[in-house]
Amino acid sequence: GEDVEQSLFLSVREGDSSVINCTYTDSSSTYLYWYKQEPGAGLQLLTYIFSNMDMKQDQRLTVLLNKKDKHLSLRIADTQTGDSAIYFCAESNFNKFYFGSGTKLNVKP
Amino acid sequence: EAGVTQFPSHSVIEKGQTVTLRCDPISGHDNLYWYRRVMGKEIKFLLHFVKESKQDESGMPNNRFLAERTGGTYSTLKVQPAELEDSGVYFCASSHGLTPREQYFGPGTRLTVT
Repeated sequence: GEDVEQSLFLSVREGDSSVINCTYTDSSSTYLYWYKQEPGAGLQLLTYIFSNMDMKQDQRLTVLLNKKDKHLSLRIADTQTGDSAIYFCAESNFNKFYFGSGTKLNVKP
Repeated sequence: EAGVTQFPSHSVIEKGQTVTLRCDPISGHDNLYWYRRVMGKEIKFLLHFVKESKQDESGMPNNRFLAERTGGTYSTLKVQPAELEDSGVYFCASSHGLTPREQYFGPGTRLTVT
């Protein structure tokens, strides 16, 4: 099956930028996603990028896609304590989604 | 618009018992998916319904798991008999359309088998 790999933990200080990285194996992925899971809550779709795009920016979030290296990153500018959560990278080819293990972001005040 | 809901939020059962998880998708969403996250690992696809039909059940771990979606509305996922390795968080998601870009997730059911 397809593999999606993420580092497990990231710790940053409030106000700094956070960069969460992800690698995937399926070259036929149609879309790539970032989901956020806060404690006790479900997965919230943060943003997604079509596989033929290189970059997408949405307020404090910037998604970069390197399709050649199958590498996806999520940059959060001016990270706040409310950004502390688990961030899941996912890829899809139509209806099937493949997720990573999640990166736990800890934001220190 | 109500989101995807799941019940119960948490279930603790003993090995060998039966548990049934329920998912209510967003109204009008034909696609319904079940996923599972075992402690600290990736979220894994279990199966996909289109209305009441199983479109893809390739992720179901074994025949102790039975998913149904009678009438094409809510879905249930039954585990019988439960084993220790079934512990994890079971997520349900729904989406609309033939090739959806987005799946909307419920809060999950945390299943603990002791």
